Amino acid sequence: ILNVEQSPQSLHVQEGDSTNFTCSFPSSNFYALHWYRWETAKSPEALFVMTLNGDEKKKGRISATLNTKEGYSYLYIKGSQPEDSATYLCASSNTDKLIFGTGTRLQVFP
Amino acid sequence: NAGVMQNPRHLVRRRGQEARLRCSPMKGHSHVYWYRQLPEEGLKFMVYLQKENIIDESGMPKERFSAEFPKEGPSILRIQQVVRGDSAAYFCASSPRTSVGSEQYFGPGTRLTVT
Repeated sequence: ILNVEQSPQSLHVQEGDSTNFTCSFPSSNFYALHWYRWETAKSPEALFVMTLNGDEKKKGRISATLNTKEGYSYLYIKGSQPEDSATYLCASSNTDKLIFGTGTRLQVFP
Repeated sequence: NAGVMQNPRHLVRRRGQEARLRCSPMKGHSHVYWYRQLPEEGLKFMVYLQKENIIDESGMPKERFSAEFPKEGPSILRIQQVVRGDSAAYFCASSPRTSVGSEQYFGPGTRLTVT
């Protein structure tokens, strides 16, 4: 059984601050790591899928890294904006089903 | 290209009634996944279906829950004789599934309340 942990649970930052959060997952039988951004009352939005150790992906001000040997991924947001406020979910998979962490709730204050 | 559609968005049922939740995948996607979010918990996998086939139902409760994805029409998650503990948000995702770990695209969810 996969157990995916995310930290911190919540984060409050000022507009313009850069921030990062962590996702840890069992490294055995790993296949892919997914990051989602989830705003209240909307669908979770796919940000990244990463499979290879050392992978780095970037979308605008958001980037992510992956370490499959030690079982962690970091999500970075550079220069946070109020519209970045959301819950950021990570999920690991070794089959077709995703095993989700409980998310990091980010609030960016203007 | 419309996203994943789910309906209804909100559903209220009395204990003992049946709940039917519908999911229309994105165009061109033949793989559908259902997840459930219980209050104060994260998303938990329930079932994975391909057209007319259940591939993995390891997350489905053994009784009262069933899912289908017919050749034509949406995927249906059916809960018979609902109980208060079934109150949750039910999310559907679809994928073109080019490989294991392919990106899954989520719908907005159906919030089920059992009174």
